[in-house]
Amino acid sequence: GENVEQHPSTLSVQEGDSAVIKCTYSDSASNYFPWYKQELGKGPQLIIDIRSNVGEKKDQRIAVTLNKTAKHFSLHITETQPEDSAVYFCAARNDYKLSFGAGTTVTVRA
Amino acid sequence: ETGVTQSPTHLIKTRGQQVTLRCSSQSGHNTVSWYQQALGQGPQFIFQYYREEENGRGNFPPRFSGLQFPNYSSELNVNALELDDSALYLCASSLPKGLNTGELFFGEGSRLTVL
Repeated sequence: GENVEQHPSTLSVQEGDSAVIKCTYSDSASNYFPWYKQELGKGPQLIIDIRSNVGEKKDQRIAVTLNKTAKHFSLHITETQPEDSAVYFCAARNDYKLSFGAGTTVTVRA
Repeated sequence: ETGVTQSPTHLIKTRGQQVTLRCSSQSGHNTVSWYQQALGQGPQFIFQYYREEENGRGNFPPRFSGLQFPNYSSELNVNALELDDSALYLCASSLPKGLNTGELFFGEGSRLTVL
């Protein structure tokens, strides 16, 4: 089955700096790669996604890149703000199932 | 807000008991998936329901079972509860096949504690 690894597990950044989270996946058949943000006591919320036929996607301060050959994808958050503090999960989808990484706890220091 | 509602939000059970968790999917979504999220970990896929039938299953034992109703709402049932079943149980709905962009809309979850 699919195995998704996510690094780092924790990330502390100064407000205004950038944050980068990296994930690798094992199943070359995976074709959809979403990123979720989970705040304390809440369910995961989709923040951005990318499909296997696209190399990069950007939405305001958030961008995602995908390297299918190397089987890795990354989340970039620029100009971080305190409200960006949360747990972020990457995931890879093959058919009906999403496989998640273990999560990255991001703390933005004021 | 995703429009996916789950109940109850929190519950406590003892080992060996049975539990039923409920989920109402977002309007127009006929596919429901259930995930288990242990503390400090990513969600793990339990199973998916489409048109009232199980459409795929993760690595969970048969004591985890589910139902989907004609209105697309769903239940997750867990029998013979074990301590390791303590987790946040997440329900996610998605668009019908053919319109499905792949996006899952998660509810806020049901926090189960097994003592």
